[in-house]
Amino acid sequence: EIVMTQSPATLSVPPGGRATLSCRASQSASSNLAWYQQKPGQAPRLIIYGASTRATGVPARFSGSGSVTEFTLTISSLQSEDFAVYYCQQYNDWPLTFGGGTKVEI
Amino acid sequence: QVQLQQSGPGLVKPSETLSLTCTVSGGSFTSYYWSWIRQPPGKGLEWIGYVYYSGSTDYNPSLKSRVTMSVDMSKNQFSLKVTSVTAADTAVYYCARIVRGEGMDYWGQGTLVTVSS
Repeated sequence: EIVMTQSPATLSVPPGGRATLSCRASQSASSNLAWYQQKPGQAPRLIIYGASTRATGVPARFSGSGSVTEFTLTISSLQSEDFAVYYCQQYNDWPLTFGGGTKVEI
Repeated sequence: QVQLQQSGPGLVKPSETLSLTCTVSGGSFTSYYWSWIRQPPGKGLEWIGYVYYSGSTDYNPSLKSRVTMSVDMSKNQFSLKVTSVTAADTAVYYCARIVRGEGMDYWGQGTLVTVSS
């Protein structure tokens, strides 16, 4: 299976700051990579698919990049509602696999 | 607006079978993969498997021997069964819709299933 590794585990950013989250795949995931946002007590929410396409209703301050084994999620100008845990997930091959998550905190 | 509503018991005894159902409303049931994901308390997400609307399935090898998924197209429902549960199966279980090439775009509300006698 493709192992997904996220870094850092925790990221401290002030409101209005920029957050850069990394995700690495143990083998090629092509561009079949999604990012999810999860807030406490809530289900994950799809924010990026195809490595760089924003899901419906996702603000433009969220952007994704990368391909093959190296991927990045960037959140420019962090808002209070953006503080959450972010997971990457590959869907290039079964079984689908998630990274361990990055917590973005103040 | 597509909605996924989960139902099923929140407490299961060790060695028994965990059963959950997800009811889909507000959108088509066909042409999608319907999936289950779980999240142990304080931990990350684990994909359990999918059932296609036609009934075909694929499961995570880590759980394959204990998992069964099925669909009931007449009710727009899909279900999960996990047999011989232990405390390690305690988790929040989510159902979700997989769009081919786009990830999981709609999720259920989650069900905390605790395995305890």
